[in-house]
Amino acid sequence: SYVLTQPPSLSVAPGQTARITCGGNNIGTKSVHWCQQKPGQAPVLVVYDDSDRPSGVPERFSGSHSGNTATLTISSVEAGDEADYYCHVWVTSGDPYVVFGGGTKLTVL
Amino acid sequence: QVQLVESGGGVVQPGGSLRLSCAATDFSSSTYALHWVRQAPGKGLEWVAVISHDGNKKYYADSVKGRFTISRDNSKNTMYLQMSSLRGEDTAVYYCAVVLRFLEWLPLDYWGQGTLVTVSS
Repeated sequence: SYVLTQPPSLSVAPGQTARITCGGNNIGTKSVHWCQQKPGQAPVLVVYDDSDRPSGVPERFSGSHSGNTATLTISSVEAGDEADYYCHVWVTSGDPYVVFGGGTKLTVL
Repeated sequence: QVQLVESGGGVVQPGGSLRLSCAATDFSSSTYALHWVRQAPGKGLEWVAVISHDGNKKYYADSVKGRFTISRDNSKNTMYLQMSSLRGEDTAVYYCAVVLRFLEWLPLDYWGQGTLVTVSS
């Protein structure tokens, strides 16, 4: 089965840039989506189709991917960005299914 | 404003059954795919199942295949998850989510607030 690998944690200082990676075999051939989950809350979509942002998501959030890695970049990190971030894709080999990465806990120092 | 409201969670014994509901309010969900995603306590997100806009296509995670059944009633703007042969590892918050693109399976544009299922004797 398809596996997405994320670093469990990442710490950045306010104002710095956070780059959260999501590794998967040939992930560059798939559309990658990212959601944010703050403690005690439901997830919220922050990037879809690799690099698009839903309405209302700040421009500080951006996505990219190349080869076997997709990246969510959060520039000028704020305290309110502290959350868990999950990448996910639709896998079409055999019966289709959704795969989530294990999640990355972003801590703002 | 898109809103999804889950209900039906609770405590159930191992081997038991439970039916979850996901009601879409303030929009018509009949043209969109709907998913169930769960999160065990302190763990990450795990996809459970998806159903197409018309209910004709349904896909499941291997961990629930043969035990869970996803369905929808577009006349009631509601999706269901019938869970049977429940196990301790099914304990989780269950979220429903909608894909606001016709004939697409992702992304998960909006999520409900979740309903907690606890499998315990």
